[in-house]
Amino acid sequence: GAVVSQHPSWVICKSGTSVKIECRSLDFQATTMFWYRQFPKQSLMLMATSNEGSKATYEQGVEKDKFLINHASLTLSTLTVTSAHPEDSSFYICSARDGLADTGELFFGEGSRLTVL
Amino acid sequence: GQNIDQPTEMTATEGAIVQINCTYQTSGFNGLFWYQQHAGEAPTFLSYNVLDGLEEKGRFSSFLSRSKGYSYLLLKELQMKDSASYLCAVMDSNYQLIWGAGTKLIIKP
Repeated sequence: GAVVSQHPSWVICKSGTSVKIECRSLDFQATTMFWYRQFPKQSLMLMATSNEGSKATYEQGVEKDKFLINHASLTLSTLTVTSAHPEDSSFYICSARDGLADTGELFFGEGSRLTVL
Repeated sequence: GQNIDQPTEMTATEGAIVQINCTYQTSGFNGLFWYQQHAGEAPTFLSYNVLDGLEEKGRFSSFLSRSKGYSYLLLKELQMKDSASYLCAVMDSNYQLIWGAGTKLIIKP
C-alpha cells in the first residue's frame, strides 16, 4: 500500500524556538495533505488542509501564523510550529490522499511527538 | 452542525465478538471509514463503506445504512492486540473527513 513518511518521530525543543515537521508521500502523488493534532486520550483534530501549490486552509481556532504549512511539491508538505510553547506539546500527524488513484482512503504518517520545555 | 457519535469505551473478552456503533449527521456523504489507533501511534485504515450493506475483511466487518446514518464495526475472535481506539470518520460533501471521538476497546483475558 501507499506509504507516508513523517519526520522527526520525536522532537524536544525549548520554549520560543521553531520546529519543522516533514510529511512525505513515498510512492504516490499527494495532491492533498492533512495535518492533525492529537492530545492525550483525545481524537484527531484537523488543523489544516493543504493542496499542492496553494495556501493551506486552516480550521477555525488554528493560528496560521503560528502553524506554517508549506506544500510545495506533490510529495512533500511541512508543518512549522513557530515560537513553540509548552501548550503546543502534542502528537502531530499528517495524512495524504493519492491524487491519481483517489479511492478516498487517507494514508497516515507515523506521527511526530513534540515536547516543548 | 455535523457530528459523529460513538461510544467512549467498551470492554470485551478475548475470543468473543464486539460491535462498535457509529451514528452520523453530516453535510452530504461520500463514504464512511473505520480506523484503528493504538496508543501513541498513527491511525491505520480498517474499512471504507460508501454503499449500504456489510463489508467483510477477515476478522473485521463493517456495516453501513445511509438512510439511518448508521454504521458498525464488528470484530470477531477478539485478540489482546485488538485493544485500541477505533475511530469512525465520515467524508462529507466537500470530501472532508469528519472524525468521531473514538471508542476505546479494552480486551480482557
